[in-house]
Amino acid sequence: SAVISQKPSRDICQRGTSLTIQCQVDSQVTMMFWYRQQPGQSLTLIATANQGSEATYESGFVIDKFPISRPNLTFSTLTVSNMSPEDSSIYLCSVLKLQGISYEQYFGPGTRLTVT
Amino acid sequence: GQQVMQIPQYQHVQEGEDFTTYCNSSTTLSNIQWYKQRPGGHPVFLIQLVKSGEVKKQKRLTFQFGEAKKNSSLHITATQTTDVGTYFCAGRLRDSSYKLIFGSGTRLLVRP
Repeated sequence: SAVISQKPSRDICQRGTSLTIQCQVDSQVTMMFWYRQQPGQSLTLIATANQGSEATYESGFVIDKFPISRPNLTFSTLTVSNMSPEDSSIYLCSVLKLQGISYEQYFGPGTRLTVT
Repeated sequence: GQQVMQIPQYQHVQEGEDFTTYCNSSTTLSNIQWYKQRPGGHPVFLIQLVKSGEVKKQKRLTFQFGEAKKNSSLHITATQTTDVGTYFCAGRLRDSSYKLIFGSGTRLLVRP
């Protein structure tokens, strides 16, 4: 498996500000992703974090709002910019790791963001 | 776009009763993964199914992947209060993106 840590675990932020979330994995992984889970909802993929290049964003998510970095194989950051109350969610880092002959995907503990 | 539907949305059972959640994809999947999320927690990987028609068991949990690789189910025999949580299926697309598309989840409540 993979041990994933996220910082911060939770935060309460004022609208208009930005928050950067960090994700650290204990081993090298094939791919890293960022998901959002709004209250009572399922998980929605925000983007794939690509090492050393721009992230690949899903429909409805843009780089200006959610800039992502991945400087190496075990670390990534997601910034939620110019926040509004609609950004209140749990943000989850996820990694894809080769286990034997197949890939398995694991999730970090999440960052619970409340925007006031 | 690709969708993964999951039913039921909620299931409230008496402890000891069985529980099943069903997952259906609009497209053929490469594989499917199941996760459990406890209240206040994050999704925890349960299992991955890869082969057409595959069946896997983990103690009281039985997972199936359909022959067409478009549907899947999770069955829990004799539920316990520790089974409480939301169960998500997530389908891996048959492209090079490695993206997982999550179902809407089934929230299981167990009455003691």
